[in-house]
Amino acid sequence: SQQGEEDPQALSIQEGENATMNCSYKTSINNLQWYRQNSGRGLVHLILIRSNEREKHSGRLRVTLDTSKKSSSLLITASRAADTASYFCAALEGAGSYQLTFGKGTKLSVIP
Amino acid sequence: GAGVSQTPSNKVTEKGKYVELRCDPISGHTALYWYRQSLGQGPEFLIYFQGTGAADDSGLPNDRFFAVRPEGSVSTLKIQRTERGDSAVYLCASSFGTGFFEASPLHFGNGTRLTVT
Repeated sequence: SQQGEEDPQALSIQEGENATMNCSYKTSINNLQWYRQNSGRGLVHLILIRSNEREKHSGRLRVTLDTSKKSSSLLITASRAADTASYFCAALEGAGSYQLTFGKGTKLSVIP
Repeated sequence: GAGVSQTPSNKVTEKGKYVELRCDPISGHTALYWYRQSLGQGPEFLIYFQGTGAADDSGLPNDRFFAVRPEGSVSTLKIQRTERGDSAVYLCASSFGTGFFEASPLHFGNGTRLTVT
């Protein structure tokens, strides 16, 4: 079963604009992670936010977590054509868990 | 440094045949995962190794699927009597695992694309 569900499924923006992707999950989590996948490649870890954190930044990435709503969002600022990829959230369930459960992903297209 | 390596990158096999997919994790990573990804979907968990033992194989779809990691490093995913529905990209990932798993990002290989004809 899939823990995370991303929204929207696909997003197309102009270079320079911001891109926001949302993720909802079902059970309590230890942490939530975001990954990026270029076509035909493996996933690359972007950022991790723990259940006791509300916001985290890494370069042009900003992640928020609302545990009361069981949701997270990933914001990419000043997007570039090279940001074109699929983005997945992955939830790590409670204490002692090791199984990351991925959503279906958001396919982001950044138009030059 | 070297990342997670998966071989072969592509595998085409006939229905009913046996296949083996190999994963070389990052040196020093004790945790190893296999995931399966179908087109347009996110990765689906198959099995998790901590060291040599399969700590959780609950994601394996049926007894045609089996995975080993005999020396705690390289892992092989084995699929018997392949079916067309097994066609997917099989991803391997590794991480620094601890006895109490905590917040360790996964490092993925580029996957093996399996096509069963």
